[in-house]
Amino acid sequence: GENVEQHPSTLSVQEGDSAVIKCTYSDSASNYFPWYKQELGKGPQLIIDIRSNVGEKKDQRIAVTLNKTAKHFSLHITETQPEDSAVYFCAASFMDSNYQLIWGAGTKLIIKP
Amino acid sequence: DTGVSQDPRHKITKRGQNVTFRCDPISEHNRLYWYRQTLGQGPEFLTYFQNEAQLEKSRLLSDRFSAERPKGSFSTLEIQRTEQGDSAMYLCASSSSGELFFGEGSRLTVL
Repeated sequence: GENVEQHPSTLSVQEGDSAVIKCTYSDSASNYFPWYKQELGKGPQLIIDIRSNVGEKKDQRIAVTLNKTAKHFSLHITETQPEDSAVYFCAASFMDSNYQLIWGAGTKLIIKP
Repeated sequence: DTGVSQDPRHKITKRGQNVTFRCDPISEHNRLYWYRQTLGQGPEFLTYFQNEAQLEKSRLLSDRFSAERPKGSFSTLEIQRTEQGDSAMYLCASSSSGELFFGEGSRLTVL
């Protein structure tokens, strides 16, 4: 079955620096790749997503890149701020599978002041 | 609409007791999902409804777990004869297409 691996498990960066989180997936048929942010005591919240017909997508300080050949995708956060501290999850799915997502294990992002 | 709401937020129970969680999705969303999340892990899919029909169930969902969405609006997730391994956060999400909107979860602790 589909498997999603996410690295690193913890990432600590200085405020204002960039953060990069990487995920790999196993099933080449996956075609939808969302990223979720989860703050303590809250449910995950979608921050950006990408479909397999697109190589890169950007939304202000957040960008996602997708390499279909290598089956990996990455989240890039620039000019990090304290409020970016959270756990970030990548996921993968088939758009035809009722969006049944397979999740990575998460990355705890710590922004140091 | 205030988003997806879940009740209760926290539940402590003794092993062997039954518990029920409720999820009220965003009103216009026809799709509803239940996930389970343990500490340090991503959410694990449990089951999915489209309107009132339960269309998918994970192999993780043992016969002690049952979910309903009787009128295609709110949903309940019942766990019978709870075990310590059932301790987790139970997340509900809804969608109309694509993006999942999650509630804040119901945390279950089984003593």
